[in-house]
Amino acid sequence: DVKVTQSSRYLVKRTGEKVFLECVQDMDHENMFWYRQDPGLGLRLIYFSYDVKMKEKGDIPEGYSVSREKKERFSLILESASTNQTSMYLCASTQNGLAGGRGTDTQYFGPGTRLTVL
Amino acid sequence: DQQVKQNSPSLSVQEGRISILNCDYTNSMFDYFLWYKKYPAEGPTFLISISSIKDKNEDGRFTVFLNKSAKHLSLHIVPSQPGDSAVYFCAASARHWGGADGLTFGKGTHLIIQP
Repeated sequence: DVKVTQSSRYLVKRTGEKVFLECVQDMDHENMFWYRQDPGLGLRLIYFSYDVKMKEKGDIPEGYSVSREKKERFSLILESASTNQTSMYLCASTQNGLAGGRGTDTQYFGPGTRLTVL
Repeated sequence: DQQVKQNSPSLSVQEGRISILNCDYTNSMFDYFLWYKKYPAEGPTFLISISSIKDKNEDGRFTVFLNKSAKHLSLHIVPSQPGDSAVYFCAASARHWGGADGLTFGKGTHLIIQP
């Protein structure tokens, strides 16, 4: 079974703080993703990575950066947290790109981190 | 501009009946579609998917139908069970060679199964 873990289930930070959200997967997956989920907006892609040290912007990258130094770990960084970054953050991984390895390849999600920025 | 639309924020269905969740998309480059189920305080879990070369995919109680000309897909759950109560997200992917691609999600439909 694929396991995707996120470092914290709940996190409370203050405006202006630097925030690190960590995600680890144990199935040697190539690709990892960060989404945020907000009521009425569904899940929106922030950043993704298809290889170590490789990253691509998603739909809403502003205010975020990412780091992928090791294959199993993908970090989301809020350089200076703001109240509009209060959200549920979800990490996901998949072995192949959705176009390159279709069929049963799906994104496996972690449990999420509920971040509140005061 | 929302590329994947789930126009019903919630749906209430009686236990044992059929649940039909709908999803529309606007991007004609989408060629792979997935449904995810999400319980509160948990990450989404994959339910079923369909490639654009098919118009139907079935897995147990779950069937997804794809109508490419209408840019519409639907998820049918038969029979509906209490454990099916959750938020269902429709997601789509566009062709992207040589690397990963994130999914574009709809806003979700909260399915409530009533006893």
